[in-house]
Amino acid sequence: ETGVTQSPTHLIKTRGQQVTLRCSSQSGHNTVSWYQQALGQGPQFIFQYYREEENGRGNFPPRFSGLQFPNYSSELNVNALELDDSALYLCASSLDPGGYNEQYFGPGTRLTVT
Amino acid sequence: KNEVEQSPQNLTAQEGEFITINCSYSVGISALHWLQQHPGGGIVSLFMLSSGKKKHGRLIATINIQEKHSSLHITASHPRDSAVYICAVANAGGTSYGKLTFGQGTILTVHP
Repeated sequence: ETGVTQSPTHLIKTRGQQVTLRCSSQSGHNTVSWYQQALGQGPQFIFQYYREEENGRGNFPPRFSGLQFPNYSSELNVNALELDDSALYLCASSLDPGGYNEQYFGPGTRLTVT
Repeated sequence: KNEVEQSPQNLTAQEGEFITINCSYSVGISALHWLQQHPGGGIVSLFMLSSGKKKHGRLIATINIQEKHSSLHITASHPRDSAVYICAVANAGGTSYGKLTFGQGTILTVHP
């Protein structure tokens, strides 16, 4: 196990609702990245947080937002849920944002939007 | 064309066979990651490399920076190796520094 935890493990929401997903990073890691993985696809980068600031963002609309806390845990918030938001949401922590650092993935949160 | 392409998309092998999964990428990278994902979703990092070759047990990963190509080899494959193997590259610079771009994954099934 990596030491990265995510909650909840599964979630069912209705279109138009809002959702918050949580991630606790590995001890000593100050960087958290969030990814969306649709069924049968590779993960796609949503955004990265480094020392409580957003540090890069993928091609996701503003209704996807995040936070990182002083203990480096993180939240992903999605507003106005759409059916296409149904996916596995993964977070990964690393020692710092540089590409040379190994990323440690959490088990994911599976979100279903009906 | 995707920035990261893997082949094959599906691979079936008999226990004991030597397996190769390929990854080609089109962007400048600072590192390349090989990841393993089991049913249920959890992703485990197998290798991170920026040059040469790495070996861990029956797994070997190589990268050729000039050709923008990497391979993951599994020797003496076993049914427990059945999983999705994903190649991901960390972008080299600009606003995407460190961001991982993933291939679509290779589904490996090893039969006893």
